[in-house]
Formats: sequence, C-alpha cells, structure tokens
Amino acid sequence: GAVVSQHPSWVICKSGTSVKIECRSLDFQATTMFWYRQFPKQSLMLMATSNEGSKATYEQGVEKDKFLINHASLTLSTLTVTSAHPEDSSFYICSAEPPSPTGELFFGEGSRLTVL
Amino acid sequence: LAKTTQPISMDSYEGQEVNITCSHNNIATNDYITWYQQFPSQGPRFIIQGYKTKVTNEVASLFIPADRKSSTLSLPRVSLSDTAVYYCLVGGYNTNAGKSTFGDGTTLTVKP
Repeated sequence: GAVVSQHPSWVICKSGTSVKIECRSLDFQATTMFWYRQFPKQSLMLMATSNEGSKATYEQGVEKDKFLINHASLTLSTLTVTSAHPEDSSFYICSAEPPSPTGELFFGEGSRLTVL
Repeated sequence: LAKTTQPISMDSYEGQEVNITCSHNNIATNDYITWYQQFPSQGPRFIIQGYKTKVTNEVASLFIPADRKSSTLSLPRVSLSDTAVYYCLVGGYNTNAGKSTFGDGTTLTVKP
C-alpha cells in the first residue's frame, strides 16, 4: 500500500520554542493531507486540512497562528507548532489522500511531541 | 458528516472470532464505511472498506445490512497481535475522507 512518512517520530522541546513536523507521501502525489492530534487514550481529532498550493483549512477551535501548516509540494506538508507549551504535548498524526480518492486514507507513523 | 458509535472496549481470547459493531444512523447515500486499526503510538492502518452487503479481504470481513445504519467488522481467529483500537469511519468515496470524524473507537484486548 501507499506509504506516508512523518518526521521526527518524537521530539522534546522547551516551552516557548517552535517545532516543525514533516509529513511526506512517498509514492503518490497528495494534493490534500490532513493533520490530527491525539491525546492519551483518546481518539484522533482533526486539526486541519492541508491543501497543496493554498491555505490550510482549520477545524473550529484550532488556532491557525499557533499551528502553521504549509503544503508547498505535492509530497510534503509541514506542521509547525509555534511557541509550544506543555499543553501542546500530544501525538500528532498526518494522513494523505491519493489523487484518485478511494475513501482510504494513508496515515503517517505519528510524531510524539513533549514540551517541557 | 455521519457520527459513529462503537463499544468502548471488548475482550476476546486467541483463536476466537471477534465482531465489532458500529452504528451510523445518519449515513448518507454516498458514504462508504471504512475501518482502521491503531496500535499504541502508531498511525491508524486501513483494514477494510465497504458500501453494502459483505466485503472480505485477507484480514477481515465487513457486514453491512440493507439499511446501512450499522456495520460489523469481523476478525476471524484473533491473535494477541490483534490487540489494538479499531475505528469505523463513514465518509464520501469521492470527497475528503480525511474529514470523516473519528469516533471513540473500540479497544480490543486479546488474551492468551
């Protein structure tokens, strides 16, 4: 199946710093990618839809200035957590939809962010 | 977007068949039903997808009644490695599947 890769798989940072997480679709071009956040023992929560070449669409309650999304190419979307605080510590997951949507999503491995 | 309801948890033993049911009463005509498996600290992984009746692949079967208001994921002869969280998602085939809402999922625990 299609492969979506995230990097880094885990990151620890100090409060106030910014962290960038990359999501790459390795074997197909993805015009649309999605970013989720998952807290321990909870479900995935959609944060935003990343559209190649245009602005991301954020879900209600997600601060767009805090969670910057860039989808500059058909194979790469980045999520930058700006001025991170301990409450931003979470598991961040991306997914990508193939060019000819089949309803199946391909997920990255996830990135564990810990803010000290 | 259709909301889904699943049991929070289920227990089973190795070698047994496990059936996990998902309710999606407000499923739309063009919505498909997709099931994902998630292990701790990993992204979800596709298991199976269907629209109506029965779909089978090498790892699972998906049963969908005529009214499509529910679906049942069937895992034959589970093993310890099937311990995971299982999510059913309902969404359009040709629309952004990623905008489908993840429900609470079902935590399946397989015991020896």
